[in-house]
Amino acid sequence: DGGITQSPKYLFRKEGQNVTLSCEQNLNHDAMYWYRQDPGQGLRLIYYSQIVNDFQKGDIAEGYSVSREKKESFPLTVTSAQKNPTAFYLCASSTGTAGANVLTFGAGSRLTVL
Amino acid sequence: DAKTTQPPSMDCAEGRAANLPCNHSTISGNEYVYWYRQIHSQGPQYIIHGLKNNETNEMASLIITEDRKSSTLILPHATLRDTAVYYCIVRPFSGGGADGLTFGKGTHLIIQP
Repeated sequence: DGGITQSPKYLFRKEGQNVTLSCEQNLNHDAMYWYRQDPGQGLRLIYYSQIVNDFQKGDIAEGYSVSREKKESFPLTVTSAQKNPTAFYLCASSTGTAGANVLTFGAGSRLTVL
Repeated sequence: DAKTTQPPSMDCAEGRAANLPCNHSTISGNEYVYWYRQIHSQGPQYIIHGLKNNETNEMASLIITEDRKSSTLILPHATLRDTAVYYCIVRPFSGGGADGLTFGKGTHLIIQP
């Protein structure tokens, strides 16, 4: 079945460490996205990519970095510069073309900084 | 994007229709109404979208008022598995597909047995 796979599902990190969250899709979607969700809050856009080797900052990009070397993959690195990284991270993809904004989401990765 | 307003929480009895309202009084002519839902600790799931006509699919119905300033998502026979946070989003249809959607706090729908 086509879908989005995020790993790891749970991750613990010490302060000052960088950590990379994986996101892989087999939907042949051009656009991919990273969102952050804090308890009781909505989703906030971190980065998005409309095409391979190109990406744009979302609303809360500071302290995060991404790459898009392959269509299927859009890893997110949470750097030590992110002041409050403990959160639920969601990856999504869409066809990216002009048209309906139907996003397909992964199951999420929960990051806890100790 | 136009702003949406949703009640923070709602209850509904199992087997009854769940009607979730959304106000979007500043919606513009090229903006669609989208509904997603998020079951606890999972990724959001697309439900339905529409412009001005009522829409129905296997999950739900979407009723949009004639002036398009509000809409209602209807789950016709709610089950316990429909307990989730429901997000109403307005967004242009063309040209805005690739730069993401803005998810507010949504409505926490609780289906009571």
